[in-house]
Amino acid sequence: SQTIHQWPATLVQPVGSPLSLECTVEGTSNPNLYWYRQAAGRGLQLLFYSVGIGQISSEVPQNLSASRPQDRQFILSSKKLLLSDSGFYLCAWSPGRDTQYFGPGTRLTVL
Amino acid sequence: RKEVEQDPGPFNVPEGATVAFNCTYSNSASQSFFWYRQDCRKEPKLLMSVYSSGNEDGRFTAQLNRASQYISLLIRDSKLSDSATYLCVVNTRGNLIFGKGTKLSVKP
Repeated sequence: SQTIHQWPATLVQPVGSPLSLECTVEGTSNPNLYWYRQAAGRGLQLLFYSVGIGQISSEVPQNLSASRPQDRQFILSSKKLLLSDSGFYLCAWSPGRDTQYFGPGTRLTVL
Repeated sequence: RKEVEQDPGPFNVPEGATVAFNCTYSNSASQSFFWYRQDCRKEPKLLMSVYSSGNEDGRFTAQLNRASQYISLLIRDSKLSDSATYLCVVNTRGNLIFGKGTKLSVKP
């Protein structure tokens, strides 16, 4: 069966510091991969999605970037964090363009 | 009009009650529909897909009305463990659009 992992689970970072969040999927090949952010009291916001290695589409312009160095690995990065980057970051995978399955998430607090 | 709208609640119901949530969507080209459940500080998990003919999974029944562009979720015989936020999700051209969710609290 397929499983999706994210780490770290929680992170507290100062403003201006870099960020790297990692997501890996097991038990499937060539999945579509997604990064979402859920701010407190708000809905899920799609940040990036990828249909293959090296293929990244950005949904919202901001100081975040994403990379897919391997088929089942998706990384979310930032060079300099802002206070507004705080939130719950969720990685998801999909076998196609329909149902998505989420990882356990990373809770990021920027101070 | 927001793409996917839900009543945020909270819906506070006693155990054993029947509760219904509605959701409206704005894009008539939307192709598929889902309900996800999200527990506090956890990731969303797929509860069920929603089909035009309606579908049932145990105590949960989902309905889709394409003409009126709304989706419903009915929970019968509510359990304490049903307490969560229920997210309405619409697939439009391959992109999932999430509602902000309806919070349900089931009390003893």
